Amino acid sequence: KAGVTQTPRYLIKTRGQQVTLSCSPISGHRSVSWYQQTPGQGLQFLFEYFSETQRNKGNFPGRFSGRQFSNSRSEMNVSTLELGDSALYLCASSLQGLAGGDSGANVLTFGAGSRLTVL
Amino acid sequence: EDQVTQSPEALRLQEGESSSLNCSYTVSGLRGLFWYRQDPGKGPEFLFTLYSAGEEKEKERLKATLTKKESFLHITAPKPEDSATYLCAVHRGGSEKLVFGKGTKLTVNP
Repeated sequence: KAGVTQTPRYLIKTRGQQVTLSCSPISGHRSVSWYQQTPGQGLQFLFEYFSETQRNKGNFPGRFSGRQFSNSRSEMNVSTLELGDSALYLCASSLQGLAGGDSGANVLTFGAGSRLTVL
Repeated sequence: EDQVTQSPEALRLQEGESSSLNCSYTVSGLRGLFWYRQDPGKGPEFLFTLYSAGEEKEKERLKATLTKKESFLHITAPKPEDSATYLCAVHRGGSEKLVFGKGTKLTVNP
């Protein structure tokens, strides 16, 4: 069973540029969440999508956006990059999201992440 | 605001030396508490979900417990391959986000 696939794994950008990260969830999973991980702040929630609809958004500026396609694949975009955006961006998929009850449908499976460095 | 505090930040054990990791939380309407393990260069790997005070779950050398204010991850007779960062996260009802603690970095020396 293939896991969550994130591309690219590593990328380097300069301030002011924009970046698009991609996430392919586990087959059959309809919920995709994105988290930012930094040494200082740990993992912080960006947003969650289910069936192409954003259900929740974290406390990040509008430069951070995302979308989900009909095949459940998701992308996130960061515009006008700042040095502080350097982080590991993690995507997680689940069958139904955290509200999917305690049957295991709420378990988030994470990808290996996309390591973004902003110079 | 939901808060999760993990302690200690780092823990060094000798192989076979049992110990516990702590996760204290403040959340209104807890729906679930999750434990994950993260190895360097990888994403977090799911370990357990606990839903109510008094619940316990076990997997190999790991046992997770939950009270109304904290959770413990007990590691019995750890091996070097248990070395990793252990993350605790809470899920509040009505939300689709996990609030994570900053983790405990465990090192098990042979």
